[in-house]
Amino acid sequence: QKEVEQNSGPLSVPEGAIASLNCTYSDRGSQSFFWYRQYSGKSPELIMFIYSNGDKEDGRFTAQLNKASQYVSLLIRDSQPSDSATYLCAVNIGNTGKLIFGQGTTLQVKP
Amino acid sequence: DTAVSQTPKYLVTQMGNDKSIKCEQNLGHDTMYWYKQDSKKFLKIMFSYNNKELIINETVPNRFSPKSPDKAHLNLHINSLELGDSAVYFCASSQDVGNYGYTFGSGTRLTVV
Repeated sequence: QKEVEQNSGPLSVPEGAIASLNCTYSDRGSQSFFWYRQYSGKSPELIMFIYSNGDKEDGRFTAQLNKASQYVSLLIRDSQPSDSATYLCAVNIGNTGKLIFGQGTTLQVKP
Repeated sequence: DTAVSQTPKYLVTQMGNDKSIKCEQNLGHDTMYWYKQDSKKFLKIMFSYNNKELIINETVPNRFSPKSPDKAHLNLHINSLELGDSAVYFCASSQDVGNYGYTFGSGTRLTVV
């Protein structure tokens, strides 16, 4: 089992819709969780982090964490074509600073 | 001001050569990392230094050797380059062992021919 798993997609949504990106992780001791966005040919950019169970909102982005189910998700409301990118889920394993990344989900927002 | 800068941005070299990639951060972070992103976009940690001390050393061929002269710099030297080393190498830095995430450099695309 991979430590961090994501569906590679592509996930295609129409402009204005809600995009839902999902991630599961294997280490129950993980404490911090991150979502990065990576445009083609660019470096990953941190967009959200979450530590506690529940929802955390920042503008059009909402991160959701369920530690019992070992599940993290990212919702993007009012999706825009500029949101088209690969979204990487990352988990801080054992609080060591070692971020383990999923393989990423490619999101396509169609005008 | 670039927060995490890497040089060079592109590197094309022949098999068997030795090359280095340099990284510098001006964020005052204590911890720096090297990650490799393969052709399938999978990001995998290679090394991490905290205040010049090696703290993470993943299963990486010993042809790869990191060096941190001070906490703002982390370089990666690769000996006897192989075709499979072709990838994008990202440097990153963080404060507080990554509890607030990393800041990545722009990456170095290494192509071994």
